[in-house]
Amino acid sequence: GAVVSQHPSRVICKSGTSVKIECRSLDFQATTMFWYRQFPKQSLMLMATSNEGSKATYEQGVEKDKFLINHASLTLSTLTVTSAHPEDSSFYICSAREGAWYGYTFGSGTRLTVV
Amino acid sequence: QQQVKQSPQSLIVQKGGISIINCAYENTAFDYFPWYQQFPGKGPALLIAIRPDVSEKKEGRFTISFNKSAKQFSLHIMDSQPGDSATYFCAASTTSGTYKYIFGTGTRLKVLA
Repeated sequence: GAVVSQHPSRVICKSGTSVKIECRSLDFQATTMFWYRQFPKQSLMLMATSNEGSKATYEQGVEKDKFLINHASLTLSTLTVTSAHPEDSSFYICSAREGAWYGYTFGSGTRLTVV
Repeated sequence: QQQVKQSPQSLIVQKGGISIINCAYENTAFDYFPWYQQFPGKGPALLIAIRPDVSEKKEGRFTISFNKSAKQFSLHIMDSQPGDSATYFCAASTTSGTYKYIFGTGTRLKVLA
């Protein structure tokens, strides 16, 4: 089945630095990927839709300049958290859809801790 | 109109029992309804999904019941096992456009041994 690899699984960074999270579709091409944020014991909050070769579409309230998304190829999307602050600490998850299948495959998530 | 309401928030079931989680939606344009299972520190994994042209779908111990007129769908886990202890999310989306999921708020299931 479809596999989505997300890296790193955990990252700790200092306040003010930037962190890049990668999301790869390993055995399929994904023209669309999604990035979510999840707080403890809460549901998944969609941050943005990443489209290969074009600009990402951000959900209302998500800062485009803080959460930079690049989808440069059909198998890779990256999320860069710029000038990270402790309030950006969260669990970030990507997902991708294979072809015409409706179900999304999720990555394993990245736990970001900003100290 | 974009919300998906999920209940209960938490559920405790004895081993071998039936776990039932319910979801309700408002947007009649939704035509794809998946259920995801999430373990702590992991991404969600697709369990089972249904489209509105059927009222029930079964895969192993997992069954989705779908009531189009009531705009409700539910997940039944038969013969619940301790390994089923996880958080379950329902979702809804359209199968046109960007296929964005609208997730329910999640149900934390604990199955007692």
